[in-house]
Amino acid sequence: SQTIHQWPATLVQPVGSPLSLECTVEGTSNPNLYWYRQAAGRGLQLLFYSVGIGQISSEVPQNLSASRPQDRQFILSSKKLLLSDSGFYLCAWSKTIEQYFGPGTRLTVT
Amino acid sequence: QKEVEQNSGPLSVPEGAIASLNCTYSDRGSQSFFWYRQYSGKSPELIMFIYSNGDKEDGRFTAQLNKASQYVSLLIRDSQPSDSATYLCAVTLPGGSNYKLTFGKGTLLTVNP
Repeated sequence: SQTIHQWPATLVQPVGSPLSLECTVEGTSNPNLYWYRQAAGRGLQLLFYSVGIGQISSEVPQNLSASRPQDRQFILSSKKLLLSDSGFYLCAWSKTIEQYFGPGTRLTVT
Repeated sequence: QKEVEQNSGPLSVPEGAIASLNCTYSDRGSQSFFWYRQYSGKSPELIMFIYSNGDKEDGRFTAQLNKASQYVSLLIRDSQPSDSATYLCAVTLPGGSNYKLTFGKGTLLTVNP
């Protein structure tokens, strides 16, 4: 069976600091991978998706970036965090149309 | 223009009742429709998806799709307190690729014992 991991589970970072969130998937190969953000009072917003190693598509212009250095690894980064980056960051994977979410990282920017 | 709309709730039903959750979408070419359940502080879990007009049943859950009315619903029969959660509707929009999902903001359901 497939399993998706995210870490860290929670993170508190000051404004202007860098960010690195990691997501890995087990039990499948060449999945589509996605990063979403869920901010307070807002719906799930797709940030990035990837169909393969090194292939990243951005949905929303912002100070975040994503990378996929390995088939089942997806990383979300920022060089300088903003207060507005606070939220619940969710990684998801899919092979067909159904998407399955990881446990998420709750980020608070102070 | 909002693409996927849900009543934010809260929707409150007694234990054992049928809970009816509704979702409308703006793009007629939308292709697939998903229902996720999200407990407070947790990530969304996929309940079911539907892409053909009509009903699709899975245990206590039934998804109903009416493309002419641009309407999708989720019925939960014999509601239990453990069903208390936020229910998210998501659609794949026309012109999208790689199954990108657009989500509504969710409806909070409370099932009272």
